[in-house]
Amino acid sequence: QKEVEQNSGPLSVPEGAIASLNCTYSDRGSQSFFWYRQYSGKSPELIMSIYSNGDKEDGRFTAQLNKASQYVSLLIRDSQPSDSATYLCAVIVIKAAGNKLTFGGGTRVLVKP
Amino acid sequence: GAVVSQHPSWVICKSGTSVKIECRSLDFQATTMFWYRQFPKQSLMLMATSNEGSKATYEQGVEKDKFLINHASLTLSTLTVTSAHPEDSSFYICSAGRWGQGAGLAGTEQYFGPGTRLTVT
Repeated sequence: QKEVEQNSGPLSVPEGAIASLNCTYSDRGSQSFFWYRQYSGKSPELIMSIYSNGDKEDGRFTAQLNKASQYVSLLIRDSQPSDSATYLCAVIVIKAAGNKLTFGGGTRVLVKP
Repeated sequence: GAVVSQHPSWVICKSGTSVKIECRSLDFQATTMFWYRQFPKQSLMLMATSNEGSKATYEQGVEKDKFLINHASLTLSTLTVTSAHPEDSSFYICSAGRWGQGAGLAGTEQYFGPGTRLTVT
């Protein structure tokens, strides 16, 4: 079982709609959760971090964390063509050798005009 | 805030030569810096973690004698690919860690540099 799992997509969304991305993780001791956006050929950009259960909103993005169910999600409201990218879920996994940021494989999002 | 630069953005070198890549956190002091490699259509692979003034911690399977990391200050880390070969051609990305507000013990947020595309001929 992978430590962090995401549906690879592509997730096709009409412009103006809500894109919903999900991520599950296997280590119950995980404490910190992040969403990164990566455009093709570019490096990842941190768009959201969330540390406690519930929702966190930042502009058109809302992250939701449910530690009991071990999932974290990202909603993108009013999706724009510029939101077309790969979205990486990342989790800090607590390990004896030190904490490590572990990435999921990413979900590719395509926003169609 | 949280800007990370990387230099060079791309480099082409001949097989057997060495290449140095610099990573700088421009507007914050990084507790830790990280080096990743990403092959086309694949996810990021962590190569090593470095703290200022101490030896880097390499991930399993990464040759420490081939990928030399120096973390000279809280704002600068360098990765040197020694005796590069075509199979080392990849997208190398650094990130700098900064403590996230309200994050607790495991709350280092990583901010990525723009990456360096290395091609070894």
